[in-house]
Amino acid sequence: DSGVTQTPKHLITATGQRVTLRCSPRSGDLSVYWYQQSLDQGLQFLIQYYNGEERAKGNILERFSAQQFPDLHSELNLSSLELGDSALYFCASSVSQDYSYEQYFGPGTRLTVT
Amino acid sequence: GENVEQHPSTLSVQEGDSAVIKCTYSDSASNYFPWYKQELGKGPQLIIDIRSNVGEKKDQRIAVTLNKTAKHFSLHITETQPEDSAVYFCAASMRGRDDKIIFGKGTRLHILP
Repeated sequence: DSGVTQTPKHLITATGQRVTLRCSPRSGDLSVYWYQQSLDQGLQFLIQYYNGEERAKGNILERFSAQQFPDLHSELNLSSLELGDSALYFCASSVSQDYSYEQYFGPGTRLTVT
Repeated sequence: GENVEQHPSTLSVQEGDSAVIKCTYSDSASNYFPWYKQELGKGPQLIIDIRSNVGEKKDQRIAVTLNKTAKHFSLHITETQPEDSAVYFCAASMRGRDDKIIFGKGTRLHILP
């Protein structure tokens, strides 16, 4: 158990809909990272927040957005969903904003868009 | 931007033999190279990492080597055991410049009895 929690574990929704994925980092960690894992694209970095502020952006679509709240939990919002958005979404947390610190991954949310 | 290539995509080795997974990166400014192991139904977990000022690092049966000139790094697992069966990801990142972490596409390692 990494100490990072993600809800829900599974999510099935239809195209065009909007969903919110939630992540609670390990106690004491200030950085939260979001990743998308699909079969053909591997693990894609989406976005990083550090202590409530956006720190870095990766391959995140404009239809996706995220935020980190004062209690440090984070939410990833996915809108106008398409079939291709079906994937595993992981969040990870780290004590530092620096990438050279270990990231602890949550168990993931499996999103299925039908 | 940075690109990380990982090979092979699938690897089968006999239990007790060694396994080697190789990655190459494109941006010479990359300075941190972690390796993650992902077991079925779980999130990735860091198993070893290496920084650009070091050529080799070892932790029990796992070792990582880095060749900065050739821009490649490798994961070596010796005396493989059934519990080593998993998907392994390499990654490359740099500190302080265009901060991103780029993962390879993964290697599925099968340990054969």
